[in-house]
Amino acid sequence: SAVISQKPSRDICQRGTSLTIQCQVDSQVTMMFWYRQQPGQSLTLIATANQGSEATYESGFVIDKFPISRPNLTFSTLTVSNMSPEDSSIYLCSAGANEQFFGPGTRLTVL
Amino acid sequence: GENVEQHPSTLSVQEGDSAVIKCTYSDSASNYFPWYKQELGKRPQLIIDIRSNVGEKKDQRIAVTLNKTAKHFSLHITETQPEDSAVYFCAAENTGNQFYFGTGTSLTVIP
Repeated sequence: SAVISQKPSRDICQRGTSLTIQCQVDSQVTMMFWYRQQPGQSLTLIATANQGSEATYESGFVIDKFPISRPNLTFSTLTVSNMSPEDSSIYLCSAGANEQFFGPGTRLTVL
Repeated sequence: GENVEQHPSTLSVQEGDSAVIKCTYSDSASNYFPWYKQELGKRPQLIIDIRSNVGEKKDQRIAVTLNKTAKHFSLHITETQPEDSAVYFCAAENTGNQFYFGTGTSLTVIP
């Protein structure tokens, strides 16, 4: 199984600012994914982070709002840009060769 | 895209009884179906999975069944224990290796 870490674990941010979340995997993986989970809700896929090419975004999510980097096979970042209170949520990354494993999540609160 | 539905949204059982959670999916090309357990404040943990070439898989008190024709799969937990109390999510993986999650089932096991 893959061991995945994320940082920060939580943050409180002001409206209009941006936050970059980092995700590190302990082994090389082809695909990494970013999810959003609002309190009491399911996981919603934001985008697939592809190494060597642009991320693939799901319907309702755009690159200008959620730019993603994937500089190598063990690391990815998700930026939440120009934040509003509606962006308050838990953001999780996942990765794995066959099964998907999740990072611990980043709890974001936007004031 | 894939649409995964999950029922029931909440489930309460007496300790020792069985619990069954059901999911349906829309994309007939989906071929991998994991189940995740998420305790409060924790990341989702993979508990069991099944691939489309198998009809049933069992791991101790947990089993998963898959009916590809009907496009539904189910999680069965036998001899439930209080520590089984959590939110359970089903998911379906499409041919693009993206996971789409059900809406979750909050399971409470009453001692």
